Amino acid sequence: TQLLEQSPQFLSIQEGENLTVYCNSSSVFSSLQWYRQEPGEGPVLLVTVVTGGEVKKLKRLTFQFGDARKDSSLHITAAQPGDTGLYLCTGFGGSNYKLTFGKGTLLTVNP
Amino acid sequence: GAGVSQSPSNKVTEKGKDVELRCDPISGHTALYWYRQSLGQGLEFLIYFQGNSAPDKSGLPSDRFSAERTGGSVSTLTIQRTQQEDSAVYLCASSRIQGDRDYGYTFGSGTRLTVV
Repeated sequence: TQLLEQSPQFLSIQEGENLTVYCNSSSVFSSLQWYRQEPGEGPVLLVTVVTGGEVKKLKRLTFQFGDARKDSSLHITAAQPGDTGLYLCTGFGGSNYKLTFGKGTLLTVNP
Repeated sequence: GAGVSQSPSNKVTEKGKDVELRCDPISGHTALYWYRQSLGQGLEFLIYFQGNSAPDKSGLPSDRFSAERTGGSVSTLTIQRTQQEDSAVYLCASSRIQGDRDYGYTFGSGTRLTVV
């Protein structure tokens, strides 16, 4: 089983602040995905990173895949209350269909 | 449909009763997955269906859990003789193909099961 550790587990910040959350594993993944889950809803795909060292930007969100393809980070600039949610990372590894999910980072952005 | 539909959205049942949870995936998606999400825990893989292949049941926690997918579309997850530890949100997801790296998984909103 390929385990993904996410940190921090909880994060509460004020609107306008910047933040970074992390996803780490001892295993190598062919690609990593980030999802965001809002209360009462299922997770929604934000991004897929495939190449070691890859950086992808979605508006105020910046995703990076580690060079060794074992870790990833998500940086949010000028956080807004609408960014509140559970951020989950998941990796494609040996068993491509049984996605391994981290426990997530629960982000709260206070107005 | 436009998204993955799950029903019921909430279910409260008495310990020992059987429950059925339904998932209607996106039309044309060949792969369907069930996950369980408990408070403070990540998503726990339960079972996977791909086309006409035999399902991967390796994540089912006990023989009280079973699932079917009829006609390659709708799936039903059945929990027999429910226990309090079965209380969780049960999420269904579908994808175009196995391990879709481009579009990922589309999740339903889940069924919140509470066993009292």
